[in-house]
Amino acid sequence: QITLEESGPPLVKPTQTLTLTCTFSGFSLSTSGVGVGWIRQPPRKALEWLALIYWDDDKRYSPSLKSRLTITKDTSKNQVVLTMTNLDPVDTATYYCAHRRGSGLLEFDYWGQGILVTVSS
Amino acid sequence: DIQMTQSPSSVSASVGDRVTITCRASQGIASRLAWYQQKPGKTPKFLIYAASSVQSGVPSRFSGGGSGTDFTLTINNLQPEDSATYYCQQAKSFPLTFGGGTRVEIK
Repeated sequence: QITLEESGPPLVKPTQTLTLTCTFSGFSLSTSGVGVGWIRQPPRKALEWLALIYWDDDKRYSPSLKSRLTITKDTSKNQVVLTMTNLDPVDTATYYCAHRRGSGLLEFDYWGQGILVTVSS
Repeated sequence: DIQMTQSPSSVSASVGDRVTITCRASQGIASRLAWYQQKPGKTPKFLIYAASSVQSGVPSRFSGGGSGTDFTLTINNLQPEDSATYYCQQAKSFPLTFGGGTRVEIK
């Protein structure tokens, strides 16, 4: 059974750096073809893809946020970490991590419950 | 970037009705389209992949169709628990992009 859970601070001040951790079970990021992504959703708005990391440490980022994002993995801990720098109130959103459905595929079949991050002074 | 446009933005229908949601891609994506259902305050649920393949465990009243740039999600025999916002996502290329969502309400 695949599960994912996001953790991190619920409140961040503008200009600060946000670090979110996705802890998962039921699969391994050392297995060929596996990937984990991050998606966010501002309140009452649509979903926005942020980043994806593959089993081989290849990474993909949203071009509009690429300069501010870093995605890493710790295979031994079954964790993926997303770092976002220079936070702004517009970054207030629920942040989800999700499991990529399979090798060569770019949809997400399992999602975490999400973590609401508010950016405010 | 591939832009995904959903219509309508909201629809209200009665129990037992058929509801069809449209998703249009700004360029051809073959059948690389997924649909998700999101209920208020809940996590998105994966419904359909490859435009028309229904994920295991999803009720058979949900179906998807289309290829290229135009896609549909159809809910037959609408049920009260289908009240949610539905999102399409192109799975063809990076950056991955979602549609703006379609809210389905039960009359």
